[in-house]
Amino acid sequence: EVQLVESGGGLVKPGGSLRLSCAASGFTFSSYNMNWVRQAPGKGLEWVSSISSSSTYIYYADSVKGRFTISRDNAKNSLFLQMNSLRAEDTAVYYCAREASYGDFWGQGTLVTVSS
Amino acid sequence: EIVMTQSPATLSVSPGERATLSCRASQSISSNLAWYQQKPGQPPRLLIYGASTRATGIPATFSGSGSGTEFTLTISSLQSEDFAVYYCQQYHNWPPWTFGQGTKVEIK
Repeated sequence: EVQLVESGGGLVKPGGSLRLSCAASGFTFSSYNMNWVRQAPGKGLEWVSSISSSSTYIYYADSVKGRFTISRDNAKNSLFLQMNSLRAEDTAVYYCAREASYGDFWGQGTLVTVSS
Repeated sequence: EIVMTQSPATLSVSPGERATLSCRASQSISSNLAWYQQKPGQPPRLLIYGASTRATGIPATFSGSGSGTEFTLTISSLQSEDFAVYYCQQYHNWPPWTFGQGTKVEIK
């Protein structure tokens, strides 16, 4: 069974940092591109970042470019999102999603709240 | 960036009735469109990809159609568990994935 489990969310002050993790199981993690997608409270879905299976290709939304860094460890079946210089508008549930061109499996999400 | 526009924002339907949701792309995306269902407190669940192919385990009451810029998700007979928010997403030109703003299907 495919499972994606996010962790690392929490309350952080503006300007602070957080590192999100996504633990994958039930499939060959190293064969799939992976994505982070976020959802602000009561809002729709916003793509944040993508990383190819071997980390060769990495992309970011303009809204997070220069502040967020996506990475993965295929040996540990894990995906990461390092978030720096956090702003109030980064407050959201962050989902990791497996990519099959579209997002075929999603984790339950982890809540990031940026507030003083 | 391709903009996805869904309509209506809210759809009020009685159980057992048919629901028709629309999604429009700002430029042609061929059939590179997915539909997701999201219930409160849950992640999105893939329903349809390739505009019309049901994902594994999705019942035949869900069907997708369209290509180019106009797409439709039809729920043939609404059950209580189908009341949710539905999103369309293009993956024709990415990055980025872009999503519609969602259609909430509520009980009439």
